[in-house]
Amino acid sequence: NAGVTQTPKFQVLKTGQSMTLQCAQDMNHEYMSWYRQDPGMGLRLIHYSVGAGITDQGEVPNGYNVSRSTTEDFPLRLLSAAPSQTSVYFCASSYSSQGYTGELFFGEGSRLTVL
Amino acid sequence: DQQVKQNSPSLSVQEGRISILNCDYTNSMFDYFLWYKKYPAEGPTFLISISSIKDKNEDGRFTVFLNKSAKHLSLHIVPSQPGDSAVYFCAASGYNNNDMRFGAGTRLTVKP
Repeated sequence: NAGVTQTPKFQVLKTGQSMTLQCAQDMNHEYMSWYRQDPGMGLRLIHYSVGAGITDQGEVPNGYNVSRSTTEDFPLRLLSAAPSQTSVYFCASSYSSQGYTGELFFGEGSRLTVL
Repeated sequence: DQQVKQNSPSLSVQEGRISILNCDYTNSMFDYFLWYKKYPAEGPTFLISISSIKDKNEDGRFTVFLNKSAKHLSLHIVPSQPGDSAVYFCAASGYNNNDMRFGAGTRLTVKP
């Protein structure tokens, strides 16, 4: 059982470049989200989705786009990378988007460096 | 603003002793509180949770205590084992997961 799979695990970009972080889950979870982890800041929510075709912004959405065309996939797009987006990114999912959804299941993370 | 705070960046304990990790929150609307454990190069994994209607939840060696009046929760690990060495994140959530906020984490080191 793969759970939540993120690719790539590591990426180096130059300022202004664009890229997409991929996230896929095989647990038929309705809820999916993206977090970034920075030293001393914990995990901060970027965007989330409560089902296919539905997305919304979290705490720190600026500079990122998302879409949810299928239940399984939730890619995160950086349109024009900036050094401030250097971080470790985690995709997470949970069973339901209705009410309290319980614990999140996380991927292994994608470490992004923007030069 | 940081609604969930873990004021101790690190904690070191001896194997077999108790580990106590602390967490404070500011938003009285939080209904659920969770602890996640993270090893290097892995994603966080869920450890234990508690709802605001309880003051204690136990799962084997792990116990979470909630003091709503003080807006404080703690995770007790008894006895501590070297395999417990990891970063522990405290999280709090309202009714929907989009409200889940995380603390900065506490790195626990359990020495043999």
